[in-house]
Amino acid sequence: EAGVTQFPSHSVIEKGQTVTLRCDPISGHDNLYWYRRVMGKEIKFLLHFVKESKQDESGMPNNRFLAERTGGTYSTLKVQPAELEDSGVYFCASSPGGTGANVLTFGAGSRLTVL
Amino acid sequence: GDSVTQMEGPVTLSEEAFLTINCTYTATGYPSLFWYVQYPGEGLQLLLKATKADDKGSNKGFEATYRKETTSFHLEKGSVQVSDSAVYFCARWMDSSYKLIFGSGTRLLVRP
Repeated sequence: EAGVTQFPSHSVIEKGQTVTLRCDPISGHDNLYWYRRVMGKEIKFLLHFVKESKQDESGMPNNRFLAERTGGTYSTLKVQPAELEDSGVYFCASSPGGTGANVLTFGAGSRLTVL
Repeated sequence: GDSVTQMEGPVTLSEEAFLTINCTYTATGYPSLFWYVQYPGEGLQLLLKATKADDKGSNKGFEATYRKETTSFHLEKGSVQVSDSAVYFCARWMDSSYKLIFGSGTRLLVRP
């Protein structure tokens, strides 16, 4: 089966611009997560979708970040306007419902560089 | 609060050396524990997991044992290879909020 796909793999933008990251989870996975790793630190949780609903968005840094999951399939994470501290690697992950929910499959990540 | 702490890297070893990467966690109860690995240029991959105390997860020659007494889940491998060079992340599952909490990652560099 296809894995979790993220794009772009790398985006370089200037401060104040907008960037949209996309994630295509494994087909049929109800759970979709966004995480971020900044400057070699720990991978931090951003938010969790169950199907099209936001289950937990407690990790979203501020209102410059907007995540959506249209129809419970792919998800986008928009940063507008981007700031320098938003630079990092954004990971998307998905998992099925039920007993396999805690085994997350991750994408390769989208590296964001804000200049 | 609940957290995962792992040893800082980088860890540099010669091929065939023994590897230990320490990981401890704070939690109430007995969360499921995981090791993920990120090879250069790739995404995070699940390496192994353990779901209850005294469980041993194993994969690709790596092992980790769930120790509730010491709240630890150290990663070990008896003989590392150059191809094991990667960043290793320890993580625990949060049953209360259905998400993974990660440690800061440990970079391993294996020299031939």
